[in-house]
Amino acid sequence: DADVTQTPRNRITKTGKRIMLECSQTKGHDRMYWYRQDPGLGLQLIYYSFDVKDINKGEISDGYSVSRQAQAKFSLSLESAIPNQTALYFCATSEPGTGISDTQYFGPGTRLTVL
Amino acid sequence: DAKTTQPTSMDCAEGRAANLPCNHSTISGNEYVYWYRQIHSQGPQYIIHGLKNNETNEMASLIITEDRKSSTLILPHATLRDTAVYYCIVRHDGGFKTIFGAGTRLFVKA
Repeated sequence: DADVTQTPRNRITKTGKRIMLECSQTKGHDRMYWYRQDPGLGLQLIYYSFDVKDINKGEISDGYSVSRQAQAKFSLSLESAIPNQTALYFCATSEPGTGISDTQYFGPGTRLTVL
Repeated sequence: DAKTTQPTSMDCAEGRAANLPCNHSTISGNEYVYWYRQIHSQGPQYIIHGLKNNETNEMASLIITEDRKSSTLILPHATLRDTAVYYCIVRHDGGFKTIFGAGTRLFVKA
């Protein structure tokens, strides 16, 4: 079984709709992240959470919100989807190593299309 | 975090070693070199990381030059399933953001 799972894997929605992407992990990590990737480009950080009571904005948080329901679950919501939010969305987890920067483990991704 | 430069694409014959270079000339003393790869539209996969010493794991080897301004990821016996985009990033101690550049698109050919 995969350590980091995302649902749904594919979603097509219409402009103005609210949509939620879910991420679950069995790695027991405290830190969770949401990234988006546009075609041919690298990753952009949307939100991250270092524990259940911690939520932080990344570089492109406008138009998005998150909820950390438990250590293992981190959801991303698009309050009112717009076409330029069409992208591949990745959830990731990490556990800080002692004295070193985190190694992040990614889910399989959710392909979102906003019409 | 320091910027990295990688070739846009590389080819490798199946069964041969794939050597992927990365320049990070502005790396600072507490920044680690990380390598990830992404097979088409799948989630990025962690490969290996290092600070000063060369590192090896079951997937690859990482060779870091003595001045730490460049590194090479080595896949010792490339297979067709290693065809992917490979990303080299540097991240400071305590850093957590995974910010990818364009990476190197590796094509492994039969």
